[in-house]
Amino acid sequence: GENVEQHPSTLSVQEGDSAVIKCTYSDSASNYFPWYKQELGKRPQLIIDIRSNVGEKKDQRIAVTLNKTAKHFSLHITETQPEDSAVYFCAGGDSSYKLIFGSGTRLLVRP
Amino acid sequence: DAMVIQNPRYQVTQFGKPVTLSCSQTLNHNVMYWYQQKSSQAPKLLFHYYDKDFNNEADTPDNFQSRRPNTSFCFLDIRSPGLGDAAMYLCATSRGSGANVLTFGAGSRLTVL
Repeated sequence: GENVEQHPSTLSVQEGDSAVIKCTYSDSASNYFPWYKQELGKRPQLIIDIRSNVGEKKDQRIAVTLNKTAKHFSLHITETQPEDSAVYFCAGGDSSYKLIFGSGTRLLVRP
Repeated sequence: DAMVIQNPRYQVTQFGKPVTLSCSQTLNHNVMYWYQQKSSQAPKLLFHYYDKDFNNEADTPDNFQSRRPNTSFCFLDIRSPGLGDAAMYLCATSRGSGANVLTFGAGSRLTVL
């Protein structure tokens, strides 16, 4: 089955700097890669996703890149703000409806 | 305008006392999931339904059971909760074919005394 590895586990950046979180997946059949943001005590919320027929997707300050050959994908947050502080999870899924999550990255944006 | 509703939000039970958590959705999504999330860890998939077809993860303990009586409702039954079952239980839904966007409920936090 699918295995998704995520790093780093914690990331501290200065407000205004960029943050990059990386994930690798094991199952070459995986074709859907979302990123979720989870604030303390709240439910995970989708922030951006990408499918395997696209190499990059951008939504304002957030972008995701996918390298199918290397089986890795990354989340890029530019001009970070304190409200970006949260735990971010990547995930991978295929036609089986299952979504397997990475271990999470705790992002701290220092004012 | 809550679309995936979980009840109760907080559940306290005693060791070995059965618990049922419920999830309802107004999205008419055909796939429903139960995830277990322990503190600072990733959500771990327990099982999911595609319509009425039940799919159990290989490492989901037998202590966990699920029912989906109709499209809108799904239940998680923990037959004999142990201390290690204390966690947040997240219900999620998705639609369509294949892996897709998950819409999560607010979760049910289970405490086992």
